[in-house]
Amino acid sequence: DTEVTQTPKHLVMGMTNKKSLKCEQHMGHRAMYWYKQKAKKPPELMFVYSYEKLSINESVPSRFSPECPNSSLLNLHLHALQPEDSALYLCASSQRESDAEAFFGQGTRLTVV
Amino acid sequence: DQQVKQNSPSLSVQEGRISILNCDYTNSMFDYFLWYKKYPAEGPTFLISISSIKDKNEDGRFTVFLNKSAKHLSLHIVPSQPGDSAVYFCAARNSGYALNFGKGTSLLVTP
Repeated sequence: DTEVTQTPKHLVMGMTNKKSLKCEQHMGHRAMYWYKQKAKKPPELMFVYSYEKLSINESVPSRFSPECPNSSLLNLHLHALQPEDSALYLCASSQRESDAEAFFGQGTRLTVV
Repeated sequence: DQQVKQNSPSLSVQEGRISILNCDYTNSMFDYFLWYKKYPAEGPTFLISISSIKDKNEDGRFTVFLNKSAKHLSLHIVPSQPGDSAVYFCAARNSGYALNFGKGTSLLVTP
């Protein structure tokens, strides 16, 4: 199993809603990442978890709240988002944080209305 | 400030010919470089990588060349196939572990 699975694939939410994005991998990877990608832009790193602990937070607004319940799961909790937060949210994992070769999920296409 | 630059947004190549995708970077501390391929509605897929201590890495039809003095790397696909049509992202990593991505080059391989 070399897959990173993200759910849901698409999500439409209002600015007052609370929703969560989920990411799962069963490759035994101990580093997991959230990236945000806007149209025609490169992926931008949001958070890095290493051994279930938050390692990097790239100055992401608090309306995005990551959670790593165990070594296979990574969540991104969303609350009070803005329309400009609409983007493709990508989850990735790697063996360790020091490994550059990351495996990406298919992403969740988020639309904030 | 974009530290990894892919100056060609798109490239069209005939099937069977060579595709050359280019990437420039500005940060001399980058120690590892990667190419990712992305189809529409899918996440990026790792393609090939190269460490800064090497100047070439080959994997089947894909070869990555690194010129550290010019801060330039390129991906060669030979021969190109229609299934290679995708967006190709160049990425680089420094000791801070975060991947820095270029904006991508959309490759179209025509029959």
